Amino acid sequence: DTAVSQTPKYLVTQMGNDKSIKCEQNLGHDTMYWYKQDSKKFLKIMFSYNNKELIINETVPNRFSPKSPDKAHLNLHINSLELGDSAVYFCASSDSWTGVARGYTFGSGTRLTVV
Amino acid sequence: EDQVTQSPEALRLQEGESSSLNCSYTVSGLRGLFWYRQDPGKGPEFLFTLYSAGEEKEKERLKATLTKKESFLHITAPKPEDSATYLCAVRVNNAGNMLTFGGGTRLMVKP
Repeated sequence: DTAVSQTPKYLVTQMGNDKSIKCEQNLGHDTMYWYKQDSKKFLKIMFSYNNKELIINETVPNRFSPKSPDKAHLNLHINSLELGDSAVYFCASSDSWTGVARGYTFGSGTRLTVV
Repeated sequence: EDQVTQSPEALRLQEGESSSLNCSYTVSGLRGLFWYRQDPGKGPEFLFTLYSAGEEKEKERLKATLTKKESFLHITAPKPEDSATYLCAVRVNNAGNMLTFGGGTRLMVKP
């Protein structure tokens, strides 16, 4: 039973298209995140949601919009895709009650390729 | 600005050859240092959390240590299945639950 699941795993699309990535967690965590991992393996925070409320919004283009319908889901919608958006996007979750003592639980990632 | 730097970027070891990975950090107030393992095509998997200088954690062939400026991940008698990218991350004051990651060390253990 997957703890944090992302779909799709692979996404190949043309420049200018709009796409969405979905994330769901069944751990009962109250905080979810989107991270971007570039080709050099650096993981950078994009967004953080706590109980459906946006907590962190790092400097990302307005073309990226997260949406959290409930605390178990955090989706990422990207408008007008650009070549530079190609990367692996990871969803993660944590439990604020434990102070993220065990770190995050990550999904398996979505590899986005913009051509 | 909080910074996390890992070295080396890549490390090749023979099976059984012990070594250490380094994670140095410059942060405003450390609330935790985390080590993760990432296999190709997968998300990072949690290994350890360290909170204060002098603290140590162990798991099988891995041992993590922490000082006021850096953390080491010691690998004793590694096996090929230990091959992965090892990431460290920090949680700091006034940043909620956000983690700042280093660039990782890619470890390759040859039989």
